[in-house]
Order: sequence, then structure tokens, then C-alpha cells
Amino acid sequence: GDSVTQMEGPVTLSEEAFLTINCTYTATGYPSLFWYVQYPGEGLQLLLKATKADDKGSNKGFEATYRKETTSFHLEKGSVQVSDSAVYFCALGSGYSTLTFGKGTMLLVSP
Amino acid sequence: EAGVAQSPRYKIIEKRQSVAFWCNPISGHATLYWYQQILGQGPKLLIQFQNNGVVDDSQLPKDRFSAERLKGVDSTLKIQPAKLEDSAVYLCASSPSQDRADGYTFGSGTRLTVV
Repeated sequence: GDSVTQMEGPVTLSEEAFLTINCTYTATGYPSLFWYVQYPGEGLQLLLKATKADDKGSNKGFEATYRKETTSFHLEKGSVQVSDSAVYFCALGSGYSTLTFGKGTMLLVSP
Repeated sequence: EAGVAQSPRYKIIEKRQSVAFWCNPISGHATLYWYQQILGQGPKLLIQFQNNGVVDDSQLPKDRFSAERLKGVDSTLKIQPAKLEDSAVYLCASSPSQDRADGYTFGSGTRLTVV
């Protein structure tokens, strides 16, 4: 079945550091890939998505590229801020099946 | 546009009691989902509705959990009787269709603590 594997957290960075959160997936067919962010006490918010191979999703300075050859969708940001501290979830959706989420990676950014 | 509304935000109950959660999706969104998120884990699907019909409830513990979506709009999720392991955040989400490329819009969730 479909599955998503994310790097374990927490990821601890200083402000303005470069961020990478790794995500790899297993799926049948050609899934759509998503990154969601969850701030403390809130629900999940869609951060970015990519629907086909080589697509790059981007939003709020975050980027992720759909790499079919490595079955990956790593999240990157060039310069993180304290306000980026949150839990980040990688997810995939195949066809009309429901989204499958990874376990989440907590990001902590210090001033 | 208004987001997905959920209530209550928090609920504390004793084991073997019953509890109900309510969700109002984004207007016009045909598909509604209930997810369970246990602390430190990703969300796990409990049930999916398309309008007022159930599409997928394969992971819903039907001996104690039930859900309905009357008139294809609001939905309620009920647990009866609750167990300690039901302590989690219950997230409601909606999407315009079943096409996964749309992504979902989530509510803020209901945090349930069973003591």
C-alpha cells in the first residue's frame, strides 16, 4: 500500500539557516504529493503541492520538487524564521484514494 | 471563504462515557473526512463521506465509533463508550471533490482527553 517516510525530528535550527526535511514515498501509479504544516494548537494547513513528476511546489519561501526517479519530495527553505516553528507533514494521494500522511517532523527555530 | 469549523475545541471525559464532535465543512465541498491524530503521529483516516454517503470507513472502529453526515453538509462523529486510547485530536477536513490533487482544508480539531 501507499506509505510516506519522513526524517525524524525535532530539527533544530537557528534563524536564517537553511532547512531540508526529507520525505520519500511508496505508491502505485502517479500520486500527487503535498506538504502540510501544523502550528501549535491548530489544524493542518496545506503548504504546497505537486501533481506530477518534476513539478516544483512553492509557497512562503518553501519549495519541494517531485522526484519520481528517487520517489522523493524533500521540503527546503533558504532562510528559516522563528515563525516557521511547527510540525511539517508530507502526504501523498493516489487517484481517488484518501491522503496518506507521514508521521510529521517538528521544526524548532531559535533566534 | 470561511474555513472548516469544528466544535468543541477541547473535551475531557472519563472512560466508558460517550462524546460527540461536530464539523461544518467549507460551503460546496462535497467530500468530508474525519481523521484521528494521536500525539506524535500523522493523521489517520477514520471515515470519508461523499455528499451524505460513506465512501471509506474501513479504519473506523465500528464497535464504538459512528459518524453521519445528514443532508450532505454538517457531520458528527461519536464515540461510545470511550477508551483511554481514544485520547487524540480529531480533525475534520473537506475538499471540493474526491480528486486528491485538490488537497484538503482542515479544521482546527477537537482535542479529546479520556481519563
